[in-house]
Amino acid sequence: NAGVMQNPRHLVRRRGQEARLRCSPMKGHSHVYWYRQLPEEGLKFMVYLQKENIIDESGMPKERFSAEFPKEGPSILRIQQVVRGDSAAYFCASSPRMETQYFGPGTRLLVL
Amino acid sequence: AQSVTQLDSQVPVFEEAPVELRCNYSSSVSVYLFWYVQYPNQGLQLLLKYLSGSTLVESINGFEAEFNKSQTSFHLRKPSVHISDTAEYFCAVTSTQGGSEKLVFGKGTKLTVNP
Repeated sequence: NAGVMQNPRHLVRRRGQEARLRCSPMKGHSHVYWYRQLPEEGLKFMVYLQKENIIDESGMPKERFSAEFPKEGPSILRIQQVVRGDSAAYFCASSPRMETQYFGPGTRLLVL
Repeated sequence: AQSVTQLDSQVPVFEEAPVELRCNYSSSVSVYLFWYVQYPNQGLQLLLKYLSGSTLVESINGFEAEFNKSQTSFHLRKPSVHISDTAEYFCAVTSTQGGSEKLVFGKGTKLTVNP
């Protein structure tokens, strides 16, 4: 059973461009979570999705950030008009139900 | 709302020495507790978890943690560390009440095992 997959692993964008981060959950997992890790900080929750539904987006910045988890295909975290402060590692986690979340390897976004 | 405090940002130890990484949490509801380990430039791997039952939980590589409800702690211990244990360790909690199930993390403790 393959683990949580994220791509790309590294992404470089210039200020003002769009970043699209993809996450494929483990087989059989219908819950997806996105977290952001800034340097010298722990992970901060961004959004929790189930298939076609956003359950909790209390950690998402109000502007420029959006997430989806369509019926078919991976979950997408989209950042529009990136700024240097968006540079961070973005981690996706999945779970089959409540309790234990399994993390992907992360996407490291660098905004120039 | 929950919060997690990891009291030590860095812990250097020598190989084969014992280690304890401290974690305290605050929550108005009951919680599940987790320790994750992150090796450089990698994702987080689940090390161990407390959901219910015995307050002492163990991992397959010799780590253990004990849930202490009265002290709201979930400290991680290993009696003898290896060079390969060098990594960053994160304590996390989530509410048992359902709903979001989002994890709240501490800021992490960097464990460095020296020869």
